[in-house]
Amino acid sequence: DIQMTQSPSSLSASVGDRVTITCRASQGIRNDLNWYQQKPGKAPKRLIYTASSLQSGVPSRFSGSGSGTEFTLTISSLQPEDFATYYCLQYNSYPWTFGQGTKVDIK
Amino acid sequence: QVKLVQSGAEVKQPGASVKVSCKTSGYTFTDHHVHWVRQAPGQGLEWMGWIQPTSGGTKYEQKFQGRVTMTRDTSITTVYMELSSLTSDDTAVYYCARSVFDFWGQGTLVTVSS
Repeated sequence: DIQMTQSPSSLSASVGDRVTITCRASQGIRNDLNWYQQKPGKAPKRLIYTASSLQSGVPSRFSGSGSGTEFTLTISSLQPEDFATYYCLQYNSYPWTFGQGTKVDIK
Repeated sequence: QVKLVQSGAEVKQPGASVKVSCKTSGYTFTDHHVHWVRQAPGQGLEWMGWIQPTSGGTKYEQKFQGRVTMTRDTSITTVYMELSSLTSDDTAVYYCARSVFDFWGQGTLVTVSS
């Protein structure tokens, strides 16, 4: 199975901060990676697909990069509505696997 | 618009089975796989498998092989996930999601308790 190691597991940040979350795959997955945002009691919402494509309707302050084994989600200027938990997902090979999540809360 | 609407919360006893439905609309049902993902309380996301609505073909995470069955009814564009031999470890919110998880159902809480 491909292990997705996500870091950090949590972070505290202020509105306006630049935030970076990393996912590292245990083996190469090309760009078969999505990023999701989840708020308490809600289903995850796709932000980024194929590593760097912005989902329609998602603000441009979200961006994704990477290929192979190292991937990054960046929020360029954190907004109050961005406090949530973020997950990466690899769909290169079965079983599809998620990172363990990064909780972003208010500093 | 694309919608996936799941059935309501369930409470089951250990050893029982649960069947969760996922009613889809707003797209061509047979064009997209439907996946199931679960999330235990306070935990991360776990992929369970998918069903291909055209053929009914399935692929399950090995962990759930022998306990999970995914089916569909094309006449009502609905997919089902049945999990048997439930234990307390199966207490979780179960989600259906389309294709590469672009659209999700609202989730169904399954509680396993005696």
